[in-house]
Amino acid sequence: AQSVTQPDIHITVSEGASLELRCNYSYGATPYLFWYVQSPGQGLQLLLKYFSGDTLVQGIKGFETEFKRSQSSFNLRKPSVHWSDAAEYFCAVVAGSTLGRLYFGRGTQLTVWP
Amino acid sequence: EPEVTQTPSHQVTQMGQEVILRCVPISNHLYFYWYRQILGQKVEFLVSFYNNEISEKSEIFDDQFSVERPDGSNFTLKIRSTKLEDSAMYFCASSKGLSRVAVDEQFFGPGTRLTVL
Repeated sequence: AQSVTQPDIHITVSEGASLELRCNYSYGATPYLFWYVQSPGQGLQLLLKYFSGDTLVQGIKGFETEFKRSQSSFNLRKPSVHWSDAAEYFCAVVAGSTLGRLYFGRGTQLTVWP
Repeated sequence: EPEVTQTPSHQVTQMGQEVILRCVPISNHLYFYWYRQILGQKVEFLVSFYNNEISEKSEIFDDQFSVERPDGSNFTLKIRSTKLEDSAMYFCASSKGLSRVAVDEQFFGPGTRLTVL
């Protein structure tokens, strides 16, 4: 069965520092990979997605990811965090036969210190 | 920018009562979804809906749940007889659904928080 793991429940960084949020998936083939962000009172907003091709993906708001097949990882990175990036971040996969079904990690809450 | 909307934002109900959660997907989208997130747990898929029928449902989506597209704009989730464990945030999402076999970005609404007492 597909599973998605976000090992960090809560991360705190200082504004201007770099950020990496971890995500690993368990699936036999290459899944479709997504990162969503949720601010309080808001829906889940897509930051970036990986379907195929170049494993380095640029998303919105300066976020990027690198898909590493050998490590089954899809970590989210940002070179310099802004206070407005404080939110909860979810990685998710769509795997093969269940094309419309997103499997989510449990999320990482990001706090940004000024 | 078009967005998915959900009403109400918060619903409180007594155990055993029926609730209907409402969603208005993005107007030209064809694929609709419901997910839920119990406090402190993962966002879980409930059901997907395409071409006026359920496309896929999870093991959570048992006989007490139903979905409907009663008109050209609304997409509803009904819980027939609520249980305490149904308390959760329920998210509606939609995607373009250009092809039944293609993976599309899903656009999410802000959620409805359901509290069952």
